[in-house]
Amino acid sequence: NAGVTQTPKFRVLKTGQSMTLLCAQDMNHEYMYWYRQDPGMGLRLIHYSVGEGTTAKGEVPDGYNVSRLKKQNFLLGLESAAPSQTSVYFCASSETRQTDTQYFGPGTRLTVL
Amino acid sequence: GEDVEQSLFLSVREGDSSVINCTYTDSSSTYLYWYKQEPGAGLQLLTYIFSNMDMKQDQRLTVLLNKKDKHLSLRIADTQTGDSAIYFCAENPGGGNKLTFGTGTQLKVEL
Repeated sequence: NAGVTQTPKFRVLKTGQSMTLLCAQDMNHEYMYWYRQDPGMGLRLIHYSVGEGTTAKGEVPDGYNVSRLKKQNFLLGLESAAPSQTSVYFCASSETRQTDTQYFGPGTRLTVL
Repeated sequence: GEDVEQSLFLSVREGDSSVINCTYTDSSSTYLYWYKQEPGAGLQLLTYIFSNMDMKQDQRLTVLLNKKDKHLSLRIADTQTGDSAIYFCAENPGGGNKLTFGTGTQLKVEL
């Protein structure tokens, strides 16, 4: 049982390049989330999903797209990376009940030059 | 909108108690959470408290909730060097599944 995994762990992009971050969970969780963490700002929700085939915008969705084609995977895409997207990205998953813990992945550190 | 506020830094001596404070924003939040982040790792849930409770104790951790002032605190008794980390409070605005996180408090435990 690996929990929540993220690939890659590190990535450096040039402005305008595209990439996809992959999140996978093996806990059969319904809900999945993508956050970004910036110094002094805590975590901010980018997009989330309440089940396979569904996605919704979070607090800071601009410049990102997501897909949840399979229940266990949640993909975060950057179509045209910008330096403002330099951040640490965390994926999380949880069951549907409010008391359920959000389990976090180890993070992906992305630098956009 | 308003932010969930925390002080940025706290330093304590090993063996002392640590108190980390948080002011949240939404009185309709039904759960308040404390997460711990160790260097290079994701967030790990430490504890949570339901909004109709005033206090919750879990081993060395004590959570106090003041709903009137929207104030949440985490007390760590007998703080150890392994407690050094960043601590985030979080709330679930409107009672939903989405969380709003505070800015994090970096706890440094000195010998």
